[in-house]
This record gives sequence, structure tokens and C-alpha cells, in this order.
Amino acid sequence: NAGVTQTPKFQVLKTGQSMTLQCAQDMNHEYMSWYRQDPGMGLRLIHYSVGAGITDQGEVPNGYNVSRSTTEDFPLRLLSAAPSQTSVYFCASSISTGPSEAFFGQGTRLTVV
Amino acid sequence: AQSVTQPDIHITVSEGASLELRCNYSYGATPYLFWYVQSPGQGLQLLLKYFSGDTLVQGIKGFEAEFKRSQSSFNLRKPSVHWSDAAEYFCAVGAGGSNYKLTFGKGTLLTVNP
Repeated sequence: NAGVTQTPKFQVLKTGQSMTLQCAQDMNHEYMSWYRQDPGMGLRLIHYSVGAGITDQGEVPNGYNVSRSTTEDFPLRLLSAAPSQTSVYFCASSISTGPSEAFFGQGTRLTVV
Repeated sequence: AQSVTQPDIHITVSEGASLELRCNYSYGATPYLFWYVQSPGQGLQLLLKYFSGDTLVQGIKGFEAEFKRSQSSFNLRKPSVHWSDAAEYFCAVGAGGSNYKLTFGKGTLLTVNP
């Protein structure tokens, strides 16, 4: 009964390094999203996907890439990390766009130094 | 574009007291509305949701919320707060029948005094 699994839980990067935040769900959910949480800002949508092979930008997409090759996985890539990307990142999935809720992972705390 | 305002950044209540957390949204049509709770270092847990129908919705842990279209509000209430309710609470709106493109408020941090 895993739900939405994010790895790693914690990561420290140097400015300019690249990395991929992993997100996997085992609920066969069609929709997946990435959010970042910053103090006093709530959560803001980075990218989302409505199915395998289909992605789109959210409110704060700059500096991040995504792809969705399978229903289960939705990785978030930082190509050249910047200190402004220090944040807690949450992945979410939902079964449909109808009246249902999104389920969130436990988050990845990323620090860029 | 939709928006969510949570006017109270931090609220402190005594254990056993009643609680109301405010949420105002901006959206042209009937939105999907959610309240999530986040304990320190944890992910988000859904408390309750509103899609349509009865404007008073019941959630988990004894929480309820009332959708008021005329006031564009979706306030969260609990009659008697427990120490374990201390957490951060987020109101969110899903525009266009969406539950995957959520706009969140900035959150309200709840402190519970013994």
C-alpha cells in the first residue's frame, strides 16, 4: 500500500549540479503533478501530466524539466541547480480530473549551496 | 486565474476550544475546494473536499467546512481542538474541474496550548 513514493527524502546539491527527483505511484493514477513548498508561500505548481507522454507547465516551471514515459513514474529534473531552487518538493497523483482528490508523497527536501 | 487567500498566518487556541480557519478563493465558476493538513516534516493529508451539493461537508478528525458561494469562502471548523491538531493547514482550489492543478493558500499554522 505504498501510494506516492518520492526519492530521495533529502538532498544537498552544489550550484550548477544536475539531479532528478523521483516520483512513483502504484495506484494507476492518470494525473500527476509536482509542487514546490517555500516558507510563507504555500505550494506552487511546477509541472503536471495528464497521462503518459503528456506534460504541461504550471505556475513556476523555469529551471525544471519533466517527462512521463510510464503511468507510474513522473521524474522532475533540475538541469543546473540554483540556490533559488532550495525548497521542499511534493509529487501528487489523482485518478481522474473529476470529483476526486490528489494524493501527495512525503516530499523531498532539497538544499542548493 | 484562480487564487486562494488564508488571512491568518498563525492562530493559537487552547485545547478544547473551538476553531475556525478562514479561506477565501477567487474563481469564476464553481471550484473544487480542498483542505489539507501538514504535520511537521510530513506530506499533505486531505481533511475534506467540496465538489458540489451540500455546502456543509464533513471530513476526518472531526473537521467540517462550509462552502459559501456569496462570500467566496470555504472556512474550516472544529468544535473542540485537540493537542494533536497542531499543524499547518492549507486551503486549495482546483479550477476547471481539476484536482491536479491546484492553487494553494499560503497556509495557517495552528498552535494548541494545553
